[in-house]
Amino acid sequence: AQKVTQAQTEISVVEKEDVTLDCVYETRDTTYYLFWYKQPPSGELVFLIRRNSFDEQNEISGRYSWNFQKSTSSFNFTITASQVVDSAVYFCALSEARSGGSNYKLTFGKGTLLTVNP
Amino acid sequence: EPEVTQTPSHQVTQMGQEVILRCVPISNHLYFYWYRQILGQKVEFLVSFYNNEISEKSEIFDDQFSVERPDGSNFTLKIRSTKLEDSAMYFCASRTGTSTYRGQPQHFGDGTRLSIL
Repeated sequence: AQKVTQAQTEISVVEKEDVTLDCVYETRDTTYYLFWYKQPPSGELVFLIRRNSFDEQNEISGRYSWNFQKSTSSFNFTITASQVVDSAVYFCALSEARSGGSNYKLTFGKGTLLTVNP
Repeated sequence: EPEVTQTPSHQVTQMGQEVILRCVPISNHLYFYWYRQILGQKVEFLVSFYNNEISEKSEIFDDQFSVERPDGSNFTLKIRSTKLEDSAMYFCASRTGTSTYRGQPQHFGDGTRLSIL
């Protein structure tokens, strides 16, 4: 069964600090997808980034970057120069790409509450 | 940018009553999902729906739950006889479909907060 662990329950930083959110996953599939979603205080879930299991190249998109390490089953997410508006709960999620199915449900971690203080 | 729309934003219902949560997925999407989030907890998968039938459901999705796509735009979740423990935020999500899944992200609505009294 697939499982996502976000060991950090809460993180508090001061504006302009860099912050890394950790995510460790478990899956038996060789092909899978990892996602980060943001849930601001207003409650909606906002898709941020996606990474597939067969491409370990790490990328940067604006202030966001991610570090995918297949050897340690980790998919960490970094916000550079954090801002108050980054304050939210961040969820890591996993989707397995099993053949023959059309489901591809998301399994979420418990989330990390990030508070960015001015 | 197209978005998933959910109504109502907040529903208050007496225990034992039926409730219907409504969703309008993004128009060219083919796969639809319901998730729930009990206050302060993680988001949990309930059910997925494709080609007018359920493709997978979790153990949470028991006989009290049903989903329907009554027309070409709406996607509903019905709880027949609500219980106190059904109080949660319910999210609808949808994604595009291709012949091969390539991790197309699910796009979520703003959620319906269901409060059972």
